[in-house]
Amino acid sequence: EAGVTQFPSHSVIEKGQTVTLRCDPISGHDNLYWYRRVMGKEIKFLLHFVKESKQDESGMPNNRFLAERTGGTYSTLKVQPAELEDSGVYFCASSFSRDRGRKTEAFFGQGTRLTVV
Amino acid sequence: KQEVTQIPAALSVPEGENLVLNCSFTDSAIYNLQWFRQDPGKGLTSLLLIQSSQREQTSGRLNASLDKSSGRSTLYIAASQPGDSATYLCAVRLYPGTASKLTFGTGTRLQVTL
Repeated sequence: EAGVTQFPSHSVIEKGQTVTLRCDPISGHDNLYWYRRVMGKEIKFLLHFVKESKQDESGMPNNRFLAERTGGTYSTLKVQPAELEDSGVYFCASSFSRDRGRKTEAFFGQGTRLTVV
Repeated sequence: KQEVTQIPAALSVPEGENLVLNCSFTDSAIYNLQWFRQDPGKGLTSLLLIQSSQREQTSGRLNASLDKSSGRSTLYIAASQPGDSATYLCAVRLYPGTASKLTFGTGTRLQVTL
Protein backbone atom coordinates (compact mmCIF):
# COMPACT_ATOMS: atom_id res chain seq x y z
CA GLU A 1 0.00 0.00 0.00
CA ALA A 2 1.37 3.42 -0.94
CA GLY A 3 2.01 5.81 1.90
CA VAL A 4 1.46 9.54 2.03
CA THR A 5 3.41 11.14 -0.79
CA GLN A 6 4.42 14.75 -1.12
CA PHE A 7 5.74 16.76 -4.05
CA PRO A 8 8.22 18.27 -4.46
CA SER A 9 10.68 17.01 -1.87
CA HIS A 10 12.62 20.27 -2.04
CA SER A 11 11.82 23.72 -3.36
CA VAL A 12 13.96 26.84 -3.42
CA ILE A 13 12.18 30.02 -4.47
CA GLU A 14 12.78 33.72 -4.24
CA LYS A 15 10.89 35.98 -1.91
CA GLY A 16 7.70 37.14 -3.58
CA GLN A 17 7.29 34.08 -5.77
CA THR A 18 4.52 31.52 -5.54
CA VAL A 19 4.97 27.88 -4.59
CA THR A 20 2.46 25.05 -4.57
CA LEU A 21 2.99 21.95 -2.51
CA ARG A 22 1.07 18.78 -3.15
CA CYS A 23 0.05 15.91 -0.90
CA ASP A 24 -1.45 12.58 -1.91
CA PRO A 25 -2.91 10.86 1.16
CA ILE A 26 -3.28 7.15 1.71
CA SER A 27 -6.21 5.85 -0.28
CA GLY A 28 -9.38 5.79 1.81
CA HIS A 29 -8.19 8.30 4.39
CA ASP A 30 -10.77 11.04 4.80
CA ASN A 31 -8.63 13.08 7.17
CA LEU A 32 -5.78 15.10 5.71
CA TYR A 33 -3.56 17.40 7.74
CA TRP A 34 -0.87 19.92 6.93
CA TYR A 35 1.88 20.66 9.45
CA ARG A 36 5.00 22.77 9.31
CA ARG A 37 8.35 22.77 11.08
CA VAL A 38 10.40 25.91 10.95
CA MET A 39 14.07 25.89 11.96
CA GLY A 40 14.58 25.06 15.62
CA LYS A 41 10.90 24.89 16.45
CA GLU A 42 8.43 22.09 16.99
CA ILE A 43 6.15 20.78 14.27
CA LYS A 44 3.00 22.88 14.24
CA PHE A 45 -0.44 22.20 12.90
CA LEU A 46 -1.67 24.25 9.93
CA LEU A 47 -5.03 22.81 8.94
CA HIS A 48 -7.23 19.74 8.75
CA PHE A 49 -9.47 18.54 5.94
CA VAL A 50 -12.23 15.99 6.30
CA LYS A 51 -12.76 14.90 2.72
CA GLU A 52 -12.96 18.16 0.78
CA SER A 53 -14.08 20.33 3.71
CA LYS A 54 -11.82 22.37 5.96
CA GLN A 55 -12.47 21.09 9.48
CA ASP A 56 -9.94 23.27 11.27
CA GLU A 57 -7.70 25.92 9.77
CA SER A 58 -6.73 27.61 12.99
CA GLY A 59 -3.04 27.03 12.39
CA MET A 60 -2.78 28.81 9.06
CA PRO A 61 -0.38 31.69 9.66
CA ASN A 62 -1.94 34.29 7.33
CA ASN A 63 -3.87 34.77 4.11
CA ARG A 64 -0.80 34.15 1.97
CA PHE A 65 -1.45 30.46 2.55
CA LEU A 66 -4.24 28.72 0.65
CA ALA A 67 -5.05 25.04 0.97
CA GLU A 68 -7.42 23.08 -1.20
CA ARG A 69 -8.56 19.51 -1.45
CA THR A 70 -10.65 19.20 -4.55
CA GLY A 71 -12.80 16.07 -4.67
CA GLY A 72 -11.52 14.97 -1.29
CA THR A 73 -8.44 13.29 -2.74
CA TYR A 74 -5.10 15.04 -3.02
CA SER A 75 -4.45 18.43 -1.46
CA THR A 76 -2.42 21.46 -2.42
CA LEU A 77 -0.94 24.15 -0.25
CA LYS A 78 -0.11 27.36 -2.05
CA VAL A 79 2.03 30.13 -0.62
CA GLN A 80 1.63 33.43 -2.45
CA PRO A 81 3.69 35.54 -2.18
CA ALA A 82 6.34 33.65 -0.27
CA GLU A 83 8.30 35.37 2.50
CA LEU A 84 11.60 34.42 4.12
CA GLU A 85 9.88 33.23 7.32
CA ASP A 86 7.91 30.66 5.33
CA SER A 87 11.03 28.54 5.01
CA GLY A 88 10.73 25.18 6.70
CA VAL A 89 9.59 21.64 6.20
CA TYR A 90 5.93 21.15 5.33
CA PHE A 91 4.45 17.80 6.30
CA CYS A 92 1.23 16.21 5.23
CA ALA A 93 -0.51 13.46 7.18
CA SER A 94 -3.63 11.40 6.69
CA SER A 95 -5.80 9.07 8.75
CA PHE A 96 -9.09 7.23 8.70
CA SER A 97 -12.14 9.15 9.82
CA ARG A 98 -13.66 6.59 12.15
CA ASP A 99 -12.47 6.17 15.68
CA ARG A 100 -11.27 2.59 15.59
CA GLY A 101 -8.45 2.80 18.08
CA ARG A 102 -5.22 2.53 16.15
CA LYS A 103 -7.06 3.49 12.99
CA THR A 104 -6.96 7.13 14.08
CA GLU A 105 -3.21 6.90 13.84
CA ALA A 106 -1.78 9.58 11.57
CA PHE A 107 0.61 8.59 8.79
CA PHE A 108 3.02 11.23 7.59
CA GLY A 109 4.65 11.98 4.27
CA GLN A 110 8.35 12.66 3.88
CA GLY A 111 7.78 16.40 3.83
CA THR A 112 8.61 19.22 1.45
CA ARG A 113 11.61 21.32 2.40
CA LEU A 114 10.85 24.89 1.34
CA THR A 115 13.61 27.48 1.24
CA VAL A 116 12.73 31.09 0.48
CA VAL A 117 15.73 33.24 -0.44
CA LYS B 1 -3.08 25.81 25.47
CA GLN B 2 -1.42 22.42 25.27
CA GLU B 3 2.37 22.44 25.44
CA VAL B 4 4.54 19.39 24.96
CA THR B 5 8.12 19.24 26.24
CA GLN B 6 10.73 16.60 25.55
CA ILE B 7 13.82 16.02 27.63
CA PRO B 8 16.64 15.66 26.87
CA ALA B 9 16.95 17.59 23.62
CA ALA B 10 19.87 15.41 22.56
CA LEU B 11 21.32 12.16 23.81
CA SER B 12 24.34 10.07 22.85
CA VAL B 13 24.72 6.53 24.12
CA PRO B 14 26.95 3.57 23.28
CA GLU B 15 25.45 0.63 21.47
CA GLY B 16 23.71 -1.86 23.72
CA GLU B 17 22.55 0.57 26.38
CA ASN B 18 18.96 0.83 27.47
CA LEU B 19 17.61 4.37 27.42
CA VAL B 20 14.56 6.42 28.31
CA LEU B 21 13.17 9.43 26.49
CA ASN B 22 10.78 11.72 28.32
CA CYS B 23 7.73 13.64 27.19
CA SER B 24 5.54 15.88 29.31
CA PHE B 25 2.35 17.74 28.43
CA THR B 26 0.54 20.51 30.27
CA ASP B 27 -3.09 19.54 29.64
CA SER B 28 -3.77 16.04 30.96
CA ALA B 29 -7.12 15.79 29.15
CA ILE B 30 -5.61 14.05 26.14
CA TYR B 31 -7.26 11.45 23.96
CA ASN B 32 -4.09 9.67 22.93
CA LEU B 33 -0.35 10.10 22.58
CA GLN B 34 1.83 9.03 19.68
CA TRP B 35 5.59 8.51 19.47
CA PHE B 36 7.35 9.06 16.13
CA ARG B 37 10.86 8.80 14.81
CA GLN B 38 12.26 11.04 12.13
CA ASP B 39 15.36 10.22 10.17
CA PRO B 40 17.26 13.08 8.50
CA GLY B 41 15.49 14.21 5.34
CA LYS B 42 12.70 11.73 5.87
CA GLY B 43 9.14 11.86 7.08
CA LEU B 44 7.77 10.83 10.44
CA THR B 45 7.39 7.14 11.17
CA SER B 46 4.82 6.22 13.79
CA LEU B 47 6.27 3.99 16.50
CA LEU B 48 3.59 3.59 19.13
CA LEU B 49 0.17 5.02 19.87
CA ILE B 50 -1.21 4.94 23.43
CA GLN B 51 -4.86 5.63 24.11
CA SER B 52 -5.63 7.70 27.23
CA SER B 53 -7.12 4.62 28.90
CA GLN B 54 -3.91 2.64 28.45
CA ARG B 55 -0.79 2.59 30.59
CA GLU B 56 1.69 1.28 28.08
CA GLN B 57 2.29 -0.10 24.62
CA THR B 58 5.09 -2.32 23.41
CA SER B 59 6.57 -2.98 20.01
CA GLY B 60 9.74 -5.03 19.81
CA ARG B 61 12.48 -3.26 21.76
CA LEU B 62 10.28 -0.22 22.32
CA ASN B 63 8.00 0.36 25.26
CA ALA B 64 5.98 3.51 25.76
CA SER B 65 4.25 4.33 29.01
CA LEU B 66 1.63 6.94 29.78
CA ASP B 67 0.77 8.58 33.10
CA LYS B 68 -2.04 10.81 32.02
CA SER B 69 -2.75 12.34 35.44
CA SER B 70 0.80 13.60 35.81
CA GLY B 71 1.10 14.58 32.15
CA ARG B 72 4.02 12.31 31.35
CA SER B 73 5.04 9.67 28.87
CA THR B 74 8.28 7.79 28.47
CA LEU B 75 9.73 5.86 25.56
CA TYR B 76 12.03 3.06 26.63
CA ILE B 77 14.44 1.64 24.07
CA ALA B 78 16.11 -1.61 25.03
CA ALA B 79 19.52 -2.71 23.78
CA SER B 80 20.03 0.31 21.59
CA GLN B 81 21.54 -0.07 18.11
CA PRO B 82 23.17 2.42 15.72
CA GLY B 83 20.07 2.11 13.53
CA ASP B 84 18.05 3.66 16.35
CA SER B 85 19.82 6.98 15.75
CA ALA B 86 17.13 9.48 14.81
CA THR B 87 15.00 12.25 16.26
CA TYR B 88 12.17 10.98 18.44
CA LEU B 89 9.01 13.05 18.71
CA CYS B 90 6.01 12.71 20.95
CA ALA B 91 2.67 14.22 20.05
CA VAL B 92 -0.66 14.40 21.84
CA ARG B 93 -4.17 14.50 20.49
CA LEU B 94 -6.90 16.16 22.52
CA TYR B 95 -10.10 15.06 20.83
CA PRO B 96 -11.50 11.68 19.84
CA GLY B 97 -13.66 10.75 16.92
CA THR B 98 -12.52 12.19 13.66
CA ALA B 99 -8.92 12.43 14.82
CA SER B 100 -8.04 15.96 15.76
CA LYS B 101 -4.72 17.71 15.29
CA LEU B 102 -1.53 16.61 16.98
CA THR B 103 0.50 18.87 19.25
CA PHE B 104 4.19 18.00 19.00
CA GLY B 105 7.16 18.30 21.27
CA THR B 106 10.48 19.59 19.93
CA GLY B 107 11.99 16.12 19.92
CA THR B 108 14.98 14.27 21.30
CA ARG B 109 17.89 13.72 18.92
CA LEU B 110 19.37 10.32 19.69
CA GLN B 111 22.76 9.08 18.56
CA VAL B 112 23.81 5.51 19.26
CA THR B 113 27.53 5.04 18.83
CA LEU B 114 29.50 1.88 18.07
